[in-house]
Amino acid sequence: KNQVEQSPQSLIILEGKNCTLQCNYTVSPFSNLRWYKQDTGRGPVSLTIMTFSENTKSNGRYTATLDADTKQSSLHITASQLSDSASYICVVSGNTDKLIFGTGTRLQVFP
Amino acid sequence: GAVVSQHPSRVICKSGTSVKIECRSLDFQATTMFWYRQFPKQSLMLMATSNEGSKATYEQGVEKDKFLINHASLTLSTLTVTSAHPEDSSFYICSALSGGGDLSYNEQFFGPGTRLTVL
Repeated sequence: KNQVEQSPQSLIILEGKNCTLQCNYTVSPFSNLRWYKQDTGRGPVSLTIMTFSENTKSNGRYTATLDADTKQSSLHITASQLSDSASYICVVSGNTDKLIFGTGTRLQVFP
Repeated sequence: GAVVSQHPSRVICKSGTSVKIECRSLDFQATTMFWYRQFPKQSLMLMATSNEGSKATYEQGVEKDKFLINHASLTLSTLTVTSAHPEDSSFYICSALSGGGDLSYNEQFFGPGTRLTVL
């Protein structure tokens, strides 16, 4: 069964600290893996998209990694800001345009 | 990135009435759009795939007669919740598929969502 699991479910950090979110997937065949940021009451916004041949991609303070062999990905946030408080969703695409969503990690950044 | 809009952003209606939600791709054409529903603290759940000029494809368990989808143009898809009930209260999000061009995949851009509350 195609599944995407994320950990932790929620995370609280202090402003300025770094954090890493994890994603494991069992989707096959695999096309690409995406990380989205979703603010409360808003639609998801794409942070990174990686195909199987890419093992790291950065977008500002966000750096995603992908290990297609172990089917794991991580999202590292550097020097967190209050505006980083949101849900971060790992999404995997197979051989169709349908996306398989993880349950998300809810990040709260406190001053 | 490309912009997708939704209207209205929030709507409150009485039980038994119908509500229409619009999804527009503002700066690109989208032959395919998706409709999702999201309950509090849960992830997005795909309801249906909307294809321009043809019937929508619904996911298992989604009533096609209750959630009417019309994709009449390359920039507009509408979702109508018919005879709405309190259990239909949710956050509805659409997305539009943009052709990959040089990319090996199609990018999917999400709208800002519509909060539906049925009293």
